[in-house]
Amino acid sequence: EAGVVQSPRYKIIEKKQPVAFWCNPISGHNTLYWYRQNLGQGPELLIRYENEEAVDDSQLPKDRFSAERLKGVDSTLKIQPAELGDSAVYLCASSPRGLEEETQYFGPGTRLLVL
Amino acid sequence: DAKTTQPPSMDCAEGRAANLPCNHSTISGNEYVYWYRQIHSQGPQYIIHGLKNNETNEMASLIITEDRKSSTLILPHATLRDTAVYYCIVLRGKLQFGAGTQVVVTP
Repeated sequence: EAGVVQSPRYKIIEKKQPVAFWCNPISGHNTLYWYRQNLGQGPELLIRYENEEAVDDSQLPKDRFSAERLKGVDSTLKIQPAELGDSAVYLCASSPRGLEEETQYFGPGTRLLVL
Repeated sequence: DAKTTQPPSMDCAEGRAANLPCNHSTISGNEYVYWYRQIHSQGPQYIIHGLKNNETNEMASLIITEDRKSSTLILPHATLRDTAVYYCIVLRGKLQFGAGTQVVVTP
């Protein structure tokens, strides 16, 4: 069974440029999560989707960040414009039904460097 | 927040048991303790979770004290591939990762 797929694995951009990350969750998983992980810290939740609905986006900086999961399968996270402080690893995770006690399965992440 | 406290780092000899402590003194009665680990350049990986009873699976054992204010993750026979950051999390609505414990297994 394929795991959570993310692309690209690495991205280097200049500040003020836009960037997008893509995630394909495990087949059949209804719940999808985007996390951001700064260097030396644990991941922080940005947004959670139940199918195509964003049910928790309280930690998503909405002035420059946006996300979508149009058909309830794969998802895109966008930053526009990127700032130096956005350099981090962006992780995608999925779980079958989004129950609180369910295991989350993480992808390898996209490492973003903003110059 | 049901925060956890973990030592920042630990060393362990290959083949020996690794005992990773975690304090969670503000945990509520119905909150689970979860452990994930993150190997370098990979996403976090689920290890084990528990509520009150001790738990064991193919990866590790979880020992939770009777008052539930602390727990210990045990890797029974550490290998070099167990080198990772280990996160202890009290689940309250969502996973909230702290800084974790950097475990280095040495030959």
